[in-house]
Amino acid sequence: GQQLNQSPQSMFIQEGEDVSMNCTSSSIFNTWLWYKQEPGEGPVLLIALYKAGELTSNGRLTAQFGITRKDSFLNISASIPSDVGIYFCAGQSYNQGGKLIFGQGTELSVKP
Amino acid sequence: EAGVAQSPRYKIIEKRQSVAFWCNPISGHATLYWYQQILGQGPKLLIQFQNNGVVDDSQLPKDRFSAERLKGVDSTLKIQPAKLEDSAVYLCASSRASTSSPGRDYGYTFGSGTRLTVV
Repeated sequence: GQQLNQSPQSMFIQEGEDVSMNCTSSSIFNTWLWYKQEPGEGPVLLIALYKAGELTSNGRLTAQFGITRKDSFLNISASIPSDVGIYFCAGQSYNQGGKLIFGQGTELSVKP
Repeated sequence: EAGVAQSPRYKIIEKRQSVAFWCNPISGHATLYWYQQILGQGPKLLIQFQNNGVVDDSQLPKDRFSAERLKGVDSTLKIQPAKLEDSAVYLCASSRASTSSPGRDYGYTFGSGTRLTVV
């Protein structure tokens, strides 16, 4: 089945630093999504990407849909303590009924 | 708009016991999903409903897991008998999209999940 490889697995950074994480897939997707999950909660959508090459920002977050449709990255600029959490990429294919295939997650820790 | 409601939030059971989880999706959302999230991993789809019909249950361990969505609204997921490896968070999600009209405005929303511990 489809698999997503997300890296890095974890990051420990200083407040104010920029962060970058990425996902690669063995097959193409129609949509790439980035979620954040905090303890005891479900994933919350941060950014959705619908077109190959698309670059989208949401505040300090920027994500891109790779040209090959098999990869995506998420950047967080000027990190703050509330950015702490687990970030997941997810891919979606229209011919699979809308289910999401998730990466393994990147755990982000921010030191004040 | 109210979110996806799930209950209970936590459940601890012994192996070989049975357990059931409940989900109430966002009003008007045709599609409902159950995901299993094992600690340290991303969520994995167990079953997808569109209204009250099953769209995809290829990853559901049918010898012990069952799910239903009567009347196309609420859904329950049951495990009987539970195994140690079933310890996980069970997430419910809903969306507006239907399989016949996929598109960018899915409105995909997750509930807070039920954390199951099997001892």
